[in-house]
Amino acid sequence: KNQVEQSPQSLIILEGKNCTLQCNYTVSPFSNLRWYKQDTGRGPVSLTIMTFSENTKSNGRYTATLDADTKQSSLHITASQLSDSASYICVVSESESNYQLIWGAGTKLIIKP
Amino acid sequence: DAGVIQSPRHEVTEMGQEVTLRCKPISGHNSLFWYRQTMMRGLELLIYFNNNVPIDDSGMPEDRFSAKMPNASFSTLKIQPSEPRDSAVYFCASSFRGAGGNTIYFGEGSWLTVV
Repeated sequence: KNQVEQSPQSLIILEGKNCTLQCNYTVSPFSNLRWYKQDTGRGPVSLTIMTFSENTKSNGRYTATLDADTKQSSLHITASQLSDSASYICVVSESESNYQLIWGAGTKLIIKP
Repeated sequence: DAGVIQSPRHEVTEMGQEVTLRCKPISGHNSLFWYRQTMMRGLELLIYFNNNVPIDDSGMPEDRFSAKMPNASFSTLKIQPSEPRDSAVYFCASSFRGAGGNTIYFGEGSWLTVV
């Protein structure tokens, strides 16, 4: 069964610290992996999309990595800010033309001053 | 661009009433999605339109749910009759071409409470 599992479920860190969120997937075949940020009460916003051949992609202070061999991805946040408090969702697509995405449950990140 | 626009943002209705949620996708996008998000089940795809044509509605939970896309700039999701278990956040999203390799842009959601 195609699944996307994220860890930890929730995380609290102090402002200015770095953190890494994990995503493991069993989706096969694999086309691309996305990270979304969802602020409370808002819609998800795309952070990165990585295909099979990409193993790192950055978006400002966010850096996503992908290991397609081990089917693992991580999202690293550098020098966290209060505005980083949100849920971060890992999403996997089976194919380029497949509109159906496998969504993880998300990691809820809280940044404390 | 204004992004994906949804209305209403919040709706409280009584069980048995009809609910209509509206969506205006980003201009130029040819794929439109309706999602439902709950604490228990996360984000679930309800229906996917491509070029205004419903391609997959297998996620629509029951016949009480229906969706239309009469033109490229407007879509509706209707629930009739509504039930308390329909309470959730409903997101409309759009993208250019299929979702496989393209960014999906979400609206701010319609928060539905059925009492």
